[in-house]
Amino acid sequence: GAGVSQSPSNKVTEKGKDVELRCDPISGHTALYWYRQSLGQGLEFLIYFQGNSAPDKSGLPSDRFSAERTGGSVSTLTIQRTQQEDSAVYLCASSLSFGGNEQFFGPGTRLTVL
Amino acid sequence: SQELEQSPQSLIVQEGKNLTINCTSSKTLYGLYWYKQKYGEGLIFLMMLQKGGEEKSHEKITAKLDEKKQQSSLHITASQPSHAGIYLCGAAKYNSGNTPLVFGKGTRLSVIA
Repeated sequence: GAGVSQSPSNKVTEKGKDVELRCDPISGHTALYWYRQSLGQGLEFLIYFQGNSAPDKSGLPSDRFSAERTGGSVSTLTIQRTQQEDSAVYLCASSLSFGGNEQFFGPGTRLTVL
Repeated sequence: SQELEQSPQSLIVQEGKNLTINCTSSKTLYGLYWYKQKYGEGLIFLMMLQKGGEEKSHEKITAKLDEKKQQSSLHITASQPSHAGIYLCGAAKYNSGNTPLVFGKGTRLSVIA
């Protein structure tokens, strides 16, 4: 079956521009997570959506980062006024609402800010 | 905030040898997850441990959870080149069914013929 998909796979942008990253979770998965993986920091949690509940934004590094999830499915992570330190691989994961929280990860979007 | 320390950071073993990777948490573990990542690819789920003393195996990989020590170990028996990659441990951030994970920095494993 189809796994978690992310687009684009690569994104190069100039400092100061806004970017949008997209995640399509596995159909039927109510929980969706965004993580960021960079050389210095490892894999860090950014934001978490669970059904219709308010998202857990406790991992967002600044107010330039935001995310939304429309219709309980597709999610978009937006980074405004990108900075060079935003360069990283952004990973999305989804899981069922029961069954032990096994998270299935997408292939990621590699963001490079010049 | 919770931190996970993995050791060793990197490991080179000869094909056929056994190896162990450790993961130690700075706080109580509500659940411990092991993932594998190959370069340029997403994370592949290996195992999840939730109860103290729990041990799970999949093919030649075994993981154990020592809740009291807040530690987990991943053991690979008779390593093969296909085992090469980065192994990441992740801990449940909250004590609930669905929770984000806090990850260690990973252990890079190379297996040489």
